[in-house]
Amino acid sequence: SAVISQKPSRDICQRGTSLTIQCQVDSQVTMMFWYRQQPGQSLTLIATANQGSEATYESGFVIDKFPISRPNLTFSTLTVSNMSPEDSSIYLCSVLVGGDYGYTFGSGTRLTVV
Amino acid sequence: AQSVTQLDSQVPVFEEAPVELRCNYSSSVSVYLFWYVQYPNQGLQLLLKYLSGSTLVKGINGFEAEFNKSQTSFHLRKPSVHISDTAEYFCAVSPSPNFGNEKLTFGTGTRLTIIP
Repeated sequence: SAVISQKPSRDICQRGTSLTIQCQVDSQVTMMFWYRQQPGQSLTLIATANQGSEATYESGFVIDKFPISRPNLTFSTLTVSNMSPEDSSIYLCSVLVGGDYGYTFGSGTRLTVV
Repeated sequence: AQSVTQLDSQVPVFEEAPVELRCNYSSSVSVYLFWYVQYPNQGLQLLLKYLSGSTLVKGINGFEAEFNKSQTSFHLRKPSVHISDTAEYFCAVSPSPNFGNEKLTFGTGTRLTIIP
């Protein structure tokens, strides 16, 4: 299975600012996903990021708020823009490794907006 | 679209007792099923997955799950739990590849607490 390095692991940010989260994978993968886990809640898919195409956003999430880049098959970033306290969550990236259908997750970014 | 229901939000169990965490799903297409564990302040770790074949799936840390298509269930079991099993457990479903749109849909999670 793939190994994912996600940075930063945590951050405390002022409202109105933006934070970019990085996800680096140790192998080339086609499909990458970004999830949000609000405090005490389950995981909600924000968007699917495939290399060479625009990210596909789920209902309730928009590109202006959560712009995503996917410049190559091993790297992606998620930006949380114009943050408010409601954006305080854990953000996780995930990749799908074909063949064994193993969805692997990064360790997450714990974001607190004050 | 797929959905997952985890019927129990919290399950307290005495150490060395058996445990079952329940998961039911809904889908109009064939699915793959997963159980993930999240330890405090950590990411998600795959416990086991059902893709096809034998309906009884064995995973890591002594866990197993049984896929029951008629009851649309995928319950997780362990015959004897340990303190270290204290964590949040998530059931998840994705469409099988024939139907495209590979993405995981998660249940709301079950917090397993082991009582010494």
